[in-house]
Amino acid sequence: KAGVTQTPRYLIKTRGQQVTLSCSPISGHRSVSWYQQTPGQGLQFLFEYFSETQRNKGNFPGRFSGRQFSNSRSEMNVSTLELGDSALYLCASSDRTESYGYTFGSGTRLTVV
Amino acid sequence: GENVEQHPSTLSVQEGDSAVIKCTYSDSASNYFPWYKQELGKGPQLIIDIRSNVGEKKDQRIAVTLNKTAKHFSLHITETQPEDSAVYFCAATYSGYALNFGKGTSLLVTP
Repeated sequence: KAGVTQTPRYLIKTRGQQVTLSCSPISGHRSVSWYQQTPGQGLQFLFEYFSETQRNKGNFPGRFSGRQFSNSRSEMNVSTLELGDSALYLCASSDRTESYGYTFGSGTRLTVV
Repeated sequence: GENVEQHPSTLSVQEGDSAVIKCTYSDSASNYFPWYKQELGKGPQLIIDIRSNVGEKKDQRIAVTLNKTAKHFSLHITETQPEDSAVYFCAATYSGYALNFGKGTSLLVTP
């Protein structure tokens, strides 16, 4: 069965722009979470969606937002990009019925210049 | 909030030796402790997990132990192989929400 798919894989944006990243979870998984990975801060939780509802949110500014669609696909948006937003953004999905285990995608590498 | 500390940050072992990575957590409410392996250019891959009602879990060469009283858990890899070389992350969470990750351990297995 197909894994978690994130698009695009790489992205270069300019400070002040906004960006939208996409995530298609494993078929049947209704929970989607987003994480930011940087060398300095490591892996940090952004938010989690379940059945189109945001259930948990990490400690990130309001410039970071997300949503989930009825088919469980999810998008995250970052507005007014800053240099410090350069990171690997990871999406993970889980069925959250049999297991808590999350399956991660390969991520989107965002570079802000 | 939950704070997870992971040691060591780097670990080098010879092929065939064992490797142990240790993590401590701060929130006694945490009840789920997964371990992830991340290879270059890939996302983290779940390799083993344990819930707070279990003290130890084993899957072939990989085992995890949990000490709830001391709030620490460890990953044990036996008979290491070069393909075990990667960055390993521990995490802790309450009921699976919002994984709180350690900073990672870069494991190098030399032939």
